[in-house]
Amino acid sequence: EAGVTQSPTHLIKTRGQQATLRCSPISGHTSVYWYQQALGLGLQFLLWYDEGEERNRGNFPPRFSGRQFPNYSSELNVNALELEDSALYLCASSLAGASADTQYFGPGTRLTVL
Amino acid sequence: GEDVEQSLFLSVREGDSSVINCTYTDSSSTYLYWYKQEPGAGLQLLTYIFSNMDMKQDQRLTVLLNKKDKHLSLRIADTQTGDSAIYFCAELLMNRDDKIIFGKGTRLHILP
Repeated sequence: EAGVTQSPTHLIKTRGQQATLRCSPISGHTSVYWYQQALGLGLQFLLWYDEGEERNRGNFPPRFSGRQFPNYSSELNVNALELEDSALYLCASSLAGASADTQYFGPGTRLTVL
Repeated sequence: GEDVEQSLFLSVREGDSSVINCTYTDSSSTYLYWYKQEPGAGLQLLTYIFSNMDMKQDQRLTVLLNKKDKHLSLRIADTQTGDSAIYFCAELLMNRDDKIIFGKGTRLHILP
């Protein structure tokens, strides 16, 4: 069974541009989570989507947004990129909610903002 | 408050046991997780423990939970070079919309 996949593997942008990151969850999983792993800061929760709706978001500005499609795949959009947005962005999926089932992570997209 | 803390580095000789410690502050946490991140790879779930358990063992891994002290540990027996990675402790807060809080990770270095 395929795991969580993310694309692209690497993404290089310049300040002010927009970045779009994609995630495909494990088949049967309806929840998708996005995390930012910046150097020295550990993992920071960004967004949680379930059944197409945003369920929760972390302490990030509105220029971080996303959506979940009917097939449960998800996009993370980062507008007006800043240098400090350079990080590894991890997507995770789980069955509905996170209560009884843990999250399975993808390999991540490394975003570099120049 | 919501905070998960772990030491940043740990060096262990090959064959010895590694013990990675974690403390958390929110008493409403339900599940506590240990994730492993190898260079260039995403997070891999190692094990998890429900908050009403004291201990969980899975092959070389032993998780101990002291709920009174809000202390979680991961013991890796017979540490191998392949265990070299960053280990993240995380807690699930069911009373906070299923929010998951991660620690900053402990880098485990294996000495020959």
